[in-house]
Amino acid sequence: NAGVMQNPRHLVRRRGQEARLRCSPMKGHSHVYWYRQLPEEGLKFMVYLQKENIIDESGMPKERFSAEFPKEGPSILRIQQVVRGDSAAYFCASSPLVSLEKLFFGSGTQLSVL
Amino acid sequence: ELKVEQNPLFLSMQEGKNYTIYCNYSTTSDRLYWYRQDPGKSLESLFVLLSNGAVKQEGRLMASLDTKARLSTLHITAAVHDLSATYFCAVVNTNAGKSTFGDGTTLTVKP
Repeated sequence: NAGVMQNPRHLVRRRGQEARLRCSPMKGHSHVYWYRQLPEEGLKFMVYLQKENIIDESGMPKERFSAEFPKEGPSILRIQQVVRGDSAAYFCASSPLVSLEKLFFGSGTQLSVL
Repeated sequence: ELKVEQNPLFLSMQEGKNYTIYCNYSTTSDRLYWYRQDPGKSLESLFVLLSNGAVKQEGRLMASLDTKARLSTLHITAAVHDLSATYFCAVVNTNAGKSTFGDGTTLTVKP
């Protein structure tokens, strides 16, 4: 049973480009969470999704950021027109049907904006 | 808004010593997690604490939960170098289903 798979592992973008981060949850998990971690800081919640639904996006910036978790395929975190301040590690986590279970984390995507 | 505070944020200790990391949170929750993160790596779940008075132990680490005081502790006994990592507590907002993380405690164990 593969763990939470994130890709790419590292992503370099120039200012103004788009970044797409992918996350495939563990098999049987229908809850996906995205967190952002700035250097030497904790994890900040961004968005919580279930299949085809955004449950809580209170941590996501109102502009340039969007997330989806389609019926088929991975969850996508999309950042449009990236700026240097978007440089961070983005972690995806999943949990089983009961959303209050512990989280299983992916290896993260390190986004660097030049 | 649920707030989670950890202290200390940085901890340097000698091998063989004992120490405790504290995690305070601001609103009622009966579910708390401890995670470990090695540098440049992802997070690994250590403990799940589900009720008041819960105590879990694995190896040199012991976690406890006091829901009345809104406090969890992670106690390190006779530290060894392999325990060097950043430790996060996370509290679940029961209504929202999401976890709110503390800022982490970076532990360095020196010989």
